[in-house]
Amino acid sequence: AQKVTQAQTEISVVEKEDVTLDCVYETRDTTYYLFWYKQPPSGELVFLIRRNSFDEQNEISGRYSWNFQKSTSSFNFTITASQVVDSAVYFCALADAGNNRKLIWGLGTSLAVNP
Amino acid sequence: NAGVTQTPKFRILKIGQSMTLQCAQDMNHNYMYWYRQDPGMGLKLIYYSVGAGITDKGEVPNGYNVSRSTTEDFPLRLELAAPSQTSVYFCASSWDTGNTEAFFGQGTRLTVV
Repeated sequence: AQKVTQAQTEISVVEKEDVTLDCVYETRDTTYYLFWYKQPPSGELVFLIRRNSFDEQNEISGRYSWNFQKSTSSFNFTITASQVVDSAVYFCALADAGNNRKLIWGLGTSLAVNP
Repeated sequence: NAGVTQTPKFRILKIGQSMTLQCAQDMNHNYMYWYRQDPGMGLKLIYYSVGAGITDKGEVPNGYNVSRSTTEDFPLRLELAAPSQTSVYFCASSWDTGNTEAFFGQGTRLTVV
C-alpha cells in the first residue's frame, strides 16, 4: 500500500535559520511521482514541486531545495535562510501508476518562522 | 486567470439540511477532485472525475454525491448534513491524474450544527 509519512508535526524556527522538512514514502511501484504543496495561513494549497521516480537529481529553486533519495524512500525539503512568509503547512504527496495515480497525502508539517 | 473557483467560501448548515458546493475551472482540465481537510488529518479524497460524464469514489464518499456534466464544472452535493461533515472542502483540477500539478480552489469552510 502507498503511504506518505511526515514525522514532524510542527517545527518552529527563528528567521534566517535553515530548516528541513522530512518526507518518507512507501510504494511498490517503480514509476511514481512525488510532490510538495504549501498551505499558507490564508488556506489555499500551492504547488511547489513535482519529481518522478526516475529523476533523482536534487532541485534548487531560490531558497528552496529538495533532496530525493530512492535508497531511503525520502523526499526532503529544505528552506534556507527562512523567512516569516515561509510560515505555512507543507504537505508531501505521492502518486503512483498502480493506484489510478491518485495522490496520497502526508499529514503535513506546520512550520512557524518567528521574527 | 481565474483557475479553480469554489463557492461559497463559508457556510453553516443545520443537521439534515442539504447543499451543493460549486466548483468551476477554466483551464480545460480533464481531471477534477473534491477533498476534505480535517484539522491535523491532511487531505482525504471524496470523489474525482476523469472527464465529463465520468466520476468515481475516493476514500471518503459516504454522504456526498457529485456530477460532471461539463468539463468546467464539478459540483459536490451534501445530502442530510451531519456534524461529521464539518470540514474544509477543496476542489482541485489537473491536466492528468496523479503525475501532474493540481490546482486548488480557495476552499469552503463548512460547519454543520
